[in-house]
Amino acid sequence: KNEVEQSPQNLTAQEGEFITINCSYSVGISALHWLQQHPGGGIVSLFMLSSGKKKHGRLIATINIQEKHSSLHITASHPRDSAVYICAVRSSGYGNKLVFGAGTILRVKS
Amino acid sequence: DAGITQSPRHKVTETGTPVTLRCHQTENHRYMYWYRQDPGHGLRLIHYSYGVKDTDKGEVSDGYSVSRSKTEDFLLTLESATSSQTSVYFCAISDPKNEQFFGPGTRLTVL
Repeated sequence: KNEVEQSPQNLTAQEGEFITINCSYSVGISALHWLQQHPGGGIVSLFMLSSGKKKHGRLIATINIQEKHSSLHITASHPRDSAVYICAVRSSGYGNKLVFGAGTILRVKS
Repeated sequence: DAGITQSPRHKVTETGTPVTLRCHQTENHRYMYWYRQDPGHGLRLIHYSYGVKDTDKGEVSDGYSVSRSKTEDFLLTLESATSSQTSVYFCAISDPKNEQFFGPGTRLTVL
């Protein structure tokens, strides 16, 4: 079983829809990261959080440490949100190492 | 954007040849990482560095070596490339707040 599981693997939405991507993990962590990767593009960090909730524009990330679960929400989705969204956890151990989920491929249709 | 570059951006090589990928940062951060990204596997850590001459293995380190003789440069070497090492390689740096910033990636094809 992977240490970091994301769901769904693929998601197609209509423009304007509210989107939720989930991430569950099984190890002790010091922080959780949400990353975005556009097709053929680089990887950009969206959020780093260790508790509660963070918001940037239309993106909201939440984490529940007790349940070892995080969600990424996109409000009023737009075709430019189409990308791969990757959850990664930073282990509590030495090295600031990240363990990554397999990613969620999001396609937003106009 | 964090000042992190990778070279080359694309490389095609033959099985058995040595290959070196370079990651360069202008941020003076301590931690640097090499990942590979493959379909169905996501990103996996190859090696990382926590300072000049200080490196350690990640989960997929077999067939790879690294060196860090200067803070700004982290080199990844494939001593004898194999087709299984065809992948996209990302370098990353970690700032003092533990935010990670990724380079643009290197697409390596081993024929």
